[in-house]
Amino acid sequence: DVKVTQSSRYLVKRTGEKVFLECVQDMDHENMFWYRQDPGLGLRLIYFSYDVKMKEKGDIPEGYSVSREKKERFSLILESASTNQTSMYLCASSYLSSGRGPNTGELFFGEGSRLTVL
Amino acid sequence: GENVEQHPSTLSVQEGDSAVIKCTYSDSASNYFPWYKQELGKRPQLIIDIRSNVGEKKDQRIAVTLNKTAKHFSLHITETQPEDSAVYFCAASWYDKVIFGPGTSLSVIP
Repeated sequence: DVKVTQSSRYLVKRTGEKVFLECVQDMDHENMFWYRQDPGLGLRLIYFSYDVKMKEKGDIPEGYSVSREKKERFSLILESASTNQTSMYLCASSYLSSGRGPNTGELFFGEGSRLTVL
Repeated sequence: GENVEQHPSTLSVQEGDSAVIKCTYSDSASNYFPWYKQELGKRPQLIIDIRSNVGEKKDQRIAVTLNKTAKHFSLHITETQPEDSAVYFCAASWYDKVIFGPGTSLSVIP
């Protein structure tokens, strides 16, 4: 089974703190994603990476950065947390759609990290 | 950028009835359209998907249709059961980037 593991299920941080959310996948997937989930707004893409050291902005990248130094690990960084970044953060991974892996295109999600910024 | 709209935002049906959720997308380059189901407190999971070269796909009680000209795609669930109650997300993808709709909360009333 594909396993996508997010480092923290629950975090509480203070305004202005630097926050790291880490995600590790064990299926050698090329693609990795960070989404933010808020009620009524669905899953909004923050950043997307299709290869090591490669990243692409999603719909809401402001206030966030990412790092992908190794294929299996994708980190989301909040340089200076703000209260409007209180949310559920979901990491996901998938094979390249042009690849030959099974179920190409299917996203496998982690369990989520619920961040509260006070 | 790509935008995906989804309707309705909430849907209640009697057990055994059908449920239909509709989505539209903006980028004609989108070529892959998955649907995810998220049960309360759980992670989203793929239930069915369709690629741009196919007009319809069915898997038991679930079917998806795609109209590329109109940029519409829909999820149809027949003979609904209480365990179908969940939030359903449509999505559109191009070059591996996946954008989701805002979700539909489906309640199946026994």
